[in-house]
Amino acid sequence: ETGVTQTPRHLVMGMTNKKSLKCEQHLGHNAMYWYKQSAKKPLELMFVYSLEERVENNSVPSRFSPECPNSSHLFLHLHTLQPEDSALYLCASSQIIFYEQYFGPGTRLTVT
Amino acid sequence: QKEVEQDPGPLSVPEGAIVSLNCTYSNSAFQYFMWYRQYSRKGPELLMYTYSSGNKEDGRFTAQVDKSSKYISLFIRDSQPSDSATYLCAMRRAGGTSYGKLTFGQGTILTVHP
Repeated sequence: ETGVTQTPRHLVMGMTNKKSLKCEQHLGHNAMYWYKQSAKKPLELMFVYSLEERVENNSVPSRFSPECPNSSHLFLHLHTLQPEDSALYLCASSQIIFYEQYFGPGTRLTVT
Repeated sequence: QKEVEQDPGPLSVPEGAIVSLNCTYSNSAFQYFMWYRQYSRKGPELLMYTYSSGNKEDGRFTAQVDKSSKYISLFIRDSQPSDSATYLCAMRRAGGTSYGKLTFGQGTILTVHP
């Protein structure tokens, strides 16, 4: 595996389900990010971790819960989502926080 | 007013054309400028990364930054069907704190037809 990988690539969940998105970076980077990409809207930064410490939380609803167990892995735990949470969720990493960011392929999430 | 404005297009051009993609911004504190390319069902891929005003060239791609006008451009020469994608501009202030997080444009959808 190279670069930034994300699983699953597609996820359909009901509003009462609990699921998790996984991201792994194989670049030796120290910072990792979760972004939300909705149609016709700019990428929205959700969470930032640097050296496994959360440094940014952009007023994201508590139904999204991030976890960064080490510098290579990042999770986004989801529970009781709303249909408007349907979007492409992108993970990214960079060597230094907020410098050149490399993105994974994303998880296409549909909430029914 | 949005911090970064990008014409969403869509933009359709014939193969071989020169393509110009543009973004304007309002925050004079932005110091670093990037262009990402995003193919359908893929994540964004970093194309160009520039710091100062002026031009930076990489193959068929040229990034131009005009800080005095708060305007950045990406030029694609001899465009190919494989260039069909959404192009995102992004920019940030100096510094490694949350002060320096990326602000993205909406993205421009480009189609290059044979």
